[in-house]
Amino acid sequence: KNEVEQSPQNLTAQEGEFITINCSYSVGISALHWLQQHPGGGIVSLFMLSSGKKKHGRLIATINIQEKHSSLHITASHPRDSAVYICAVTYGGSQGNLIFGKGTKLSVKP
Amino acid sequence: ETGVTQTPRHLVMGMTNKKSLKCEQHLGHNAMYWYKQSAKKPLELMFVYSLEERVENNSVPSRFSPECPNSSHLFLHLHTLQPEDSALYLCASSPDFDSLNTEAFFGQGTRLTVV
Repeated sequence: KNEVEQSPQNLTAQEGEFITINCSYSVGISALHWLQQHPGGGIVSLFMLSSGKKKHGRLIATINIQEKHSSLHITASHPRDSAVYICAVTYGGSQGNLIFGKGTKLSVKP
Repeated sequence: ETGVTQTPRHLVMGMTNKKSLKCEQHLGHNAMYWYKQSAKKPLELMFVYSLEERVENNSVPSRFSPECPNSSHLFLHLHTLQPEDSALYLCASSPDFDSLNTEAFFGQGTRLTVV
């Protein structure tokens, strides 16, 4: 069993829809990361958070440390949001201890 | 553009070939990483370098040989690979290896196919 579980694995949405991707983890963490991987392979860091909520444009990330759960929300989704969204957690205080989820493949249709 | 550049973007090599992947960052970061991403699997950490010294090697086969000549450059030397080594190889860097909650910056990856 992977220590970082994401759901759903695949998600198809219509343009404009509100999207939620979930991440659950089983280890004690120092930070949680949401990453975006484009079809070409490159990865961009969206958020790094250890408590509460962060917002950047149409993206919102929340984390509940007690429940070991995080969500990534996309408001007013757009086809350019189509990508794989990866949740990763850092434990033990170092980047070497970064555990990744398998990712959620999002496809937004016009 | 994350500031981490990988070359080549695509590589096809035979099992008897020797090739190298290159990663470069000019972000002033002290830590650099090689990750492997196979189909339908999470990213796997292969090697970590901090201040040009290897600090972690996650039981990677010796046919993968990393090199970090300076804090801005990281190489992954490949020789006698197997078809199952075909994957996306991602390089990343972060300000420090052992600081709490530092963010990693990833390159575009090298799509490797072993034939």
